Amino acid sequence: GQNIDQPTEMTATEGAIVQINCTYQTSGFNGLFWYQQHAGEAPTFLSYNVLDGLEEKGRFSSFLSRSKGYSYLLLKELQMKDSASYLCAAMDSNYQLIWGAGTKLIIKP
Amino acid sequence: GAVVSQHPSWVICKSGTSVKIECRSLDFQATTMFWYRQFPKQSLMLMATSNEGSKATYEQGVEKDKFLINHASLTLSTLTVTSAHPEDSSFYICSARDGTGDSQTQYFGPGTRLLVL
Repeated sequence: GQNIDQPTEMTATEGAIVQINCTYQTSGFNGLFWYQQHAGEAPTFLSYNVLDGLEEKGRFSSFLSRSKGYSYLLLKELQMKDSASYLCAAMDSNYQLIWGAGTKLIIKP
Repeated sequence: GAVVSQHPSWVICKSGTSVKIECRSLDFQATTMFWYRQFPKQSLMLMATSNEGSKATYEQGVEKDKFLINHASLTLSTLTVTSAHPEDSSFYICSARDGTGDSQTQYFGPGTRLLVL
């Protein structure tokens, strides 16, 4: 079957760095997406990885290892506004997104 | 770029009425649009996938006669909740995929909150 695993909740301190991990199993693979969802709002696109390696975009970076079925989202210099749920989604061979349940990130002062 | 709008933002209606939600891609052509539902503190749940000019593909357990989807153009898809009941109250979110890019990224609309009394 197809499956995405990510931690349910994480807590980090303002100004620190946090890494949110995601493992996936899909029928075929066409890329890994990370979305941010603030409470009560729709998801917003953060990153897309289809090749192995690290993609950096400002304070956020995303890493992919296709051979391990593994990705992580790295958030640096955490700000209070980064408190949100972070959704990992893998695209299968039919270009369908398989969604994780999301990781709720709590930032403390 | 890649802006998706959704209208209305909020709907409050009486049980038994039908509600139509519009999803538009504002600055790109969306060959495929998706409709999701999300209950409080729960994950996104894909309801259906629609391709322009063809019938929508519904996920298992989603009643196609209750949730009517029309994707009449490359920039507009509509979801109609027919004969809405209180259990249909939820956060409905559409997304649109820009088929011209390599990433197949889905961009989400701001969502529609439906409350059925």
